Amino acid sequence: AQSVTQLGSHVSVSEGALVLLRCNYSSSVPPYLFWYVQYPNQGLQLLLKYTSAATLVKGINGFEAEFKKSETSFHLTKPSAHMSDAAEYFCAVRRTSGYSTLTFGKGTMLLVSP
Amino acid sequence: DAGVIQSPRHEVTEMGQEVTLRCKPISGHNSLFWYRQTMMRGLELLIYFNNNVPIDDSGMPEDRFSAKMPNASFSTLKIQPSEPRDSAVYFCASSMDDRANYGYTFGSGTRLTVV
Repeated sequence: AQSVTQLGSHVSVSEGALVLLRCNYSSSVPPYLFWYVQYPNQGLQLLLKYTSAATLVKGINGFEAEFKKSETSFHLTKPSAHMSDAAEYFCAVRRTSGYSTLTFGKGTMLLVSP
Repeated sequence: DAGVIQSPRHEVTEMGQEVTLRCKPISGHNSLFWYRQTMMRGLELLIYFNNNVPIDDSGMPEDRFSAKMPNASFSTLKIQPSEPRDSAVYFCASSMDDRANYGYTFGSGTRLTVV
């Protein structure tokens, strides 16, 4: 079975500061990994995905994530936070073979202050 | 593309009533998923379909919950009878192939309140 753990239910940053949202995965087989963003009263939107190609993955809105097998991590970063980045972020994992569904982490709420 | 369409957006019902949530997946997507989101439990997969066939319903909490997908463009999630603890946001998502490296496209959700 696969799972993800997101460290920190809330992360606060100032506008212009580095954003770092942590995700560690557990999987018995090579995983696909995803980051989703959820704005208030909306569904989840795909930010980026790792599918065993390049380990550094670039997504929308200036976000990127690096797959580190040795650390079983897939942390999400953005060099400079913007007020519009305030939202909840979810890391998710799925198997690369067979029928598999996305398993989500508990989510991290990103708060951005002026 | 209109995306995944869910209806209604909000539903308030009394305990014991039947509730039906509806979902129209993206055309051409052959996998459909129902998730429930609560503060306590986060996002939980309830059931998923592949080519209109239920593949895994182990996440359905009780027999009061049932889901159908009569064709490739429509699915329902029914709760009968509803209880206050069913209050949550219910999301439908679709994907082109549940064995491929695709993520899911989510609908905007149905916020269910059972009083």
